[in-house]
Amino acid sequence: DAKTTQPNSMESNEEEPVHLPCNHSTISGTDYIHWYRQLPSQGPEYVIHGLTSNVNNRMASLAIAEDRKSSTLILHRATLRDAAVYYCILLVGSARQLTFGSGTQLTVLP
Amino acid sequence: SAVISQKPSRDICQRGTSLTIQCQVDSQVTMMFWYRQQPGQSLTLIATANQGSEATYESGFVIDKFPISRPNLTFSTLTVSNMSPEDSSIYLCSVRDRGDYGYTFGSGTRLTVV
Repeated sequence: DAKTTQPNSMESNEEEPVHLPCNHSTISGTDYIHWYRQLPSQGPEYVIHGLTSNVNNRMASLAIAEDRKSSTLILHRATLRDAAVYYCILLVGSARQLTFGSGTQLTVLP
Repeated sequence: SAVISQKPSRDICQRGTSLTIQCQVDSQVTMMFWYRQQPGQSLTLIATANQGSEATYESGFVIDKFPISRPNLTFSTLTVSNMSPEDSSIYLCSVRDRGDYGYTFGSGTRLTVV
């Protein structure tokens, strides 16, 4: 299985940008990079996904390294509501299911 | 994106009994996925439920313990059978959205077995 490596935890100050890193050195050309987050007592929530180019949406930005072996989820202005576990997942080739790793616990400090 | 209604949201059950969890989607989807999240852990895929065919189970999960039904393109059930305290977890269903919205998850069923 294609795997991702994320820091176990990170802290950020409220209203500051947050950069959440993810390493995926075994990624293949057809693997999509997905990010989800799980707020306390809720199911995971889709954040963003991409293949090769950087992506932006209303929630976040995804910066993908040129060699695709790493990516960074960028929250432009953290709020207390952004405190969650963030999962970086590779959707492998023809696979249809998401395989979750341990994720990064983001703490946002007021 | 799709909207999922999952029931019940929580339950406390006696060991040896069974619980059926329902997942209703507001649009037709080809595949539905069932996950388990044990306390303090990440999500583990139990099985993929396709309409009109048997569910596909991941290693470590068997149909006798987790039977799944998928009678149509908007509905699925997962039954946790002959429960023991080790089955205490959050169970979640998920679907892949049409378009470019990624996957949507239900809010989960928090099961406690006593």
